[in-house]
Amino acid sequence: LAKITQPISMDSYEGQEVNITCSHNNIATNDYITWYQQFPSQGPRFIIQGYKTKVTNEVASLFIPADRKSSTLSLPRVSLSDTAVYYCLVGGPYNQGGKLIFGQGTELSVKP
Amino acid sequence: NAGVTQTPKFRVLKTGQSMTLLCAQDMNHEYMYWYRQDPGMGLRLIHYSVGEGTTAKGEVPDGYNVSRLKKQNFLLGLESAAPSQTSVYFCASTSPIVLAADPSSYEQYFGPGTRLTVT
Repeated sequence: LAKITQPISMDSYEGQEVNITCSHNNIATNDYITWYQQFPSQGPRFIIQGYKTKVTNEVASLFIPADRKSSTLSLPRVSLSDTAVYYCLVGGPYNQGGKLIFGQGTELSVKP
Repeated sequence: NAGVTQTPKFRVLKTGQSMTLLCAQDMNHEYMYWYRQDPGMGLRLIHYSVGEGTTAKGEVPDGYNVSRLKKQNFLLGLESAAPSQTSVYFCASTSPIVLAADPSSYEQYFGPGTRLTVT
């Protein structure tokens, strides 16, 4: 199984760009990399997903190097409402055994 | 659309008791999942289903059973609850989206969770 590691916590200030890196050395060929956001007492919510290179949507960017052994979630100009736990997920429904591995989560604290 | 709903929201069990957690989705998704979330350990996959009538084990299946008799429902059973099963349980569902440039990708939709305490 892929082992996923990400920083336990990060601090930032409003208006700054935040980059959270996830390490997944044993990623398989068919694995996707997905990031989720979770607020207290809620289920995780999808942020962005990618397979290789760079993906951008209206809320974030995801950078994946050629070897795919790591990925970086970039949140531009964070606000107080971005304070949450961010999870990296490696895997996909078409994997043999359907293995889906979450990282332990990065608790992001945005200060005014 | 209600999305993914979970019943109940909270439950306290005594060791040895049994219970069933219900997950329902109204998005016609093929795939459904049960996770548990413990402090400092992220989410871990218990069981999953890729279609009605099919189930498979995930990373931590011991002590749990599941059934998918209807496409929209995924049930998680605890036959004999143990204190180690105290956790928050999340259900999720998804369907693959075929993209032109990449192989199939997916987004999981999560329910609000069930907080279970076993004493």
